[in-house]
Amino acid sequence: KNEVEQSPQNLTAQEGEFITINCSYSVGISALHWLQQHPGGGIVSLFMLSSGKKKHGRLIATINIQEKHSSLHITASHPRDSAVYICAVMREAGNQFYFGTGTSLTVIP
Amino acid sequence: KAGVTQTPRYLIKTRGQQVTLSCSPISGHRSVSWYQQTPGQGLQFLFEYFSETQRNKGNFPGRFSGRQFSNSRSEMNVSTLELGDSALYLCASSLAPTLRKETQYFGPGTRLLVL
Repeated sequence: KNEVEQSPQNLTAQEGEFITINCSYSVGISALHWLQQHPGGGIVSLFMLSSGKKKHGRLIATINIQEKHSSLHITASHPRDSAVYICAVMREAGNQFYFGTGTSLTVIP
Repeated sequence: KAGVTQTPRYLIKTRGQQVTLSCSPISGHRSVSWYQQTPGQGLQFLFEYFSETQRNKGNFPGRFSGRQFSNSRSEMNVSTLELGDSALYLCASSLAPTLRKETQYFGPGTRLLVL
């Protein structure tokens, strides 16, 4: 069983829709990251969370430490949001990242 | 500020050869982490260096090694290449070790193909 599970694996949305990507983890963590990877490979770190909620533009990330769950929301989705979104957790012990398998998002105009 | 740079961007090698990949972090960043990404396994952590010391290592065989220089530039080496080493190798830099919850900045990656 993976330490980090993401859902859904694939997601297709119409432009303007509200999107939610979920991440569940099974280990104690010191932080959780949401990453965005565009075709071609480049990765951008979107958020780093250890509690609560963060917002950046149309992106919102939340984390519930007790439930070991995080969500990434995209409001008013746009075709340029099409990418793979990856959840990564930094374990409390071990000092290394564990990654989810990613959610491939396609936003259709 | 210039971003994280990785060289080379693409590389083709044959089984049994060795390869060295280079990563130059953002100016002022002292922590460099390396990751392997394959279609089957996804992203996996290789190792992290801070101030020329390896702080952490993932579950990879000893054929995978790395080092960091005094200017924070890092190299990773893979010896006796296997077909399964074909992957995108990413490095990421941060101001301080990732344990301190620093944001990581990723390079564009080196795509390695082993024939």
